[in-house]
Amino acid sequence: AQSVTQLGSHVSVSEGALVLLRCNYSSSVPPYLFWYVQYPNQGLQLLLKYTSAATLVKGINGFEAEFKKSETSFHLTKPSAHMSDAAEYFCAVRALYNQGGKLIFGQGTELSVKP
Amino acid sequence: DAGVIQSPRHEVTEMGQEVTLRCKPISGHDYLFWYRQTMMRGLELLIYFNNNVPIDDSGMPEDRFSAKMPNASFSTLKIQPSEPRDSAVYFCASSLGLPETQYFGPGTRLLVL
Repeated sequence: AQSVTQLGSHVSVSEGALVLLRCNYSSSVPPYLFWYVQYPNQGLQLLLKYTSAATLVKGINGFEAEFKKSETSFHLTKPSAHMSDAAEYFCAVRALYNQGGKLIFGQGTELSVKP
Repeated sequence: DAGVIQSPRHEVTEMGQEVTLRCKPISGHDYLFWYRQTMMRGLELLIYFNNNVPIDDSGMPEDRFSAKMPNASFSTLKIQPSEPRDSAVYFCASSLGLPETQYFGPGTRLLVL
């Protein structure tokens, strides 16, 4: 079955520092992978997605993620954190087509940004 | 576009009462999803519809939960009777196809006393 594991339920960085949120996936077929962000008291919104094109995917707000098949990883990065990046981040993988192709979400990583 | 609309935004009810959550997906989207989010269990997919037809309800916790989509612009999630462990934030999301981007509503925060 498809699954994602997010390493670290909570990550804290200083403003201006590199943001690195880790996601590893398990998939028996080439995966479709997603990162969503949830700001406090809001729904989730898409940051970026990988759909088997370029392995380095650029998203909104300066975030990007690199698909590494050899490491089964899809880590999210941003060169310089901003206070407004404080939120919860979810990695997701598409389920197999015979499972309806729905998204399977990780447990989430809460990002804190210190002044 | 107005985005996915959910109502109510907050609901406080007493154990045993019926609760109905409502969702209006983005116009033209053919998939609709209901999720539940709690601290303990994270984000769980409860059920999803394609063209108003339920496709996968394996995430519905028990018979007390039911969901309907009578038309392309409206869906309900009903809990009857409600229990304190149902307290959570319930999200509705819609998409145009799979696995295209899912657009989430703002959620309904449910508290069952």
